[in-house]
Amino acid sequence: SQELEQSPQSLIVQEGKNLTINCTSSKTLYGLYWYKQKYGEGLIFLMMLQKGGEEKSHEKITAKLDEKKQQSSLHITASQPSHAGIYLCGADAAGSGAGSYQLTFGKGTKLSVIP
Amino acid sequence: SAVISQKPSRDICQRGTSLTIQCQVDSQVTMMFWYRQQPGQSLTLIATANQGSEATYESGFVIDKFPISRPNLTFSTLTVSNMSPEDSSIYLCSVTPAAGGPYNEQFFGPGTRLTVL
Repeated sequence: SQELEQSPQSLIVQEGKNLTINCTSSKTLYGLYWYKQKYGEGLIFLMMLQKGGEEKSHEKITAKLDEKKQQSSLHITASQPSHAGIYLCGADAAGSGAGSYQLTFGKGTKLSVIP
Repeated sequence: SAVISQKPSRDICQRGTSLTIQCQVDSQVTMMFWYRQQPGQSLTLIATANQGSEATYESGFVIDKFPISRPNLTFSTLTVSNMSPEDSSIYLCSVTPAAGGPYNEQFFGPGTRLTVL
C-alpha cells in the first residue's frame, strides 16, 4: 500500500516569507491531493495533481508533481496568517495506478505564520 | 464542489454507549467514505459507504464496531458502537461527486469531534 512522508513536520515562518512543503513516496503517486486543515476542523480541498510534471496554482499556493511522480511540493508565496494550519497530502491508497477513490494520507505539516 | 454537513459537530459520550454521526451532501455523489483522525494523527480510512448494500471496510475496522448506512446518494451515517476512550477522534465523511474516473476531486465534511470519557 501507499505510504506518504511529509516534510517538514512543522514550520514557523514570518508573514510575507515564502515556504515549501514536500510529500514523498517510495511508490509512484497516482491522484495526489493537497488539503488544508485548521485545528480540529474538516479538510479544505486545495488541488489535485495527476500527471508527472503537472503544476497547479490557486491564489498564492502552487503545487507540483515531479516528473517521476514520486514527490509533490506545495509552495506558498508571501505567506499570511490566514495560511496557518495543517497541510496534508493524500494519494490513491492502492498505489497501483489501477485507480481507486480511497486515499491514504501523510502525517501533515503544521504551518504557523507570525505576523 | 459539494457542500457537506455533519451532525453532530462534536459530542462527549460515556464509555459503552453508541453515537450515530450523519453526513448530508447537497447533491448526489458517486462515492462516500468515512475517515477517522485520532489526536495528533493523520486520517485513516474506515470504510466506503455503498448505496443500498453493506459498506466495504478497511483492515482493522469491522461492521459490528462501525455500522454504516447509505440509503441514498446524498446521505450516510456512521455509528461508533460500544465506545471506549480509544474511540476519541475526529470522524470525517468525504465524497467524490463525479463518476468517470478515480482521480476526481474529493471533498471532506467539517468533521465530528468525539470525546469518550
